[in-house]
Amino acid sequence: DTGVSQDPRHKITKRGQNVTFRCDPISEHNRLYWYRQTLGQGPEFLTYFQNEAQLEKSRLLSDRFSAERPKGSFSTLEIQRTEQGDSAMYLCASLAGHNEQFFGPGTRLTVL
Amino acid sequence: AQSVSQHNHHVILSEAASLELGCNYSYGGTVNLFWYVQYPGQHLQLLLKYFSGDPLVKGIKGFEAEFIKSKFSFNLRKPSVQWSDTAEYFCAVSSSGSARQLTFGSGTQLTVLP
Repeated sequence: DTGVSQDPRHKITKRGQNVTFRCDPISEHNRLYWYRQTLGQGPEFLTYFQNEAQLEKSRLLSDRFSAERPKGSFSTLEIQRTEQGDSAMYLCASLAGHNEQFFGPGTRLTVL
Repeated sequence: AQSVSQHNHHVILSEAASLELGCNYSYGGTVNLFWYVQYPGQHLQLLLKYFSGDPLVKGIKGFEAEFIKSKFSFNLRKPSVQWSDTAEYFCAVSSSGSARQLTFGSGTQLTVLP
């Protein structure tokens, strides 16, 4: 257990529905990252926050995706109008200073 | 843009065999380098990291890696693997700048036979 938690661990939804995932980072970490991992691939960067500010978004993050970190603590990632191609593991990681990122267990999304 | 190549998708070894997993990266600036491991059903865990200094870095569980700047490589080694090392191994790179997002390779699945 790295101290980063994610909820839910698994989510099954029908195409077209909206889903929201939550990440709770290690409390003193000011940076929070979201990644997506598909089968047979390494994680791919989606977006990151420093405190409550979203500082960078990958081109992978389409308009259907939105992320927030309202008080600089936990973060949410919402996917609207889900598509089958959104099926993946969504990973959250947190970082403090010039150290390594600590990853949560991930949320596995299955879009039927 | 950064990229990371891991040459071996699946490696099968017997216990006590030596391990070397290849990792090459593409990036023009100063980088930080990492190896993460994912055991079955578990989250990504850091094995070792290189930021600066001695290019031979030692990590947990007897793993080590060598940064060879001229070859843009950061290969992972272990002299004698155990059955419990069965896992997926990911090489990753980040720029040494402010963003620090990781670029991962596609991973190498290691299976150690008892």
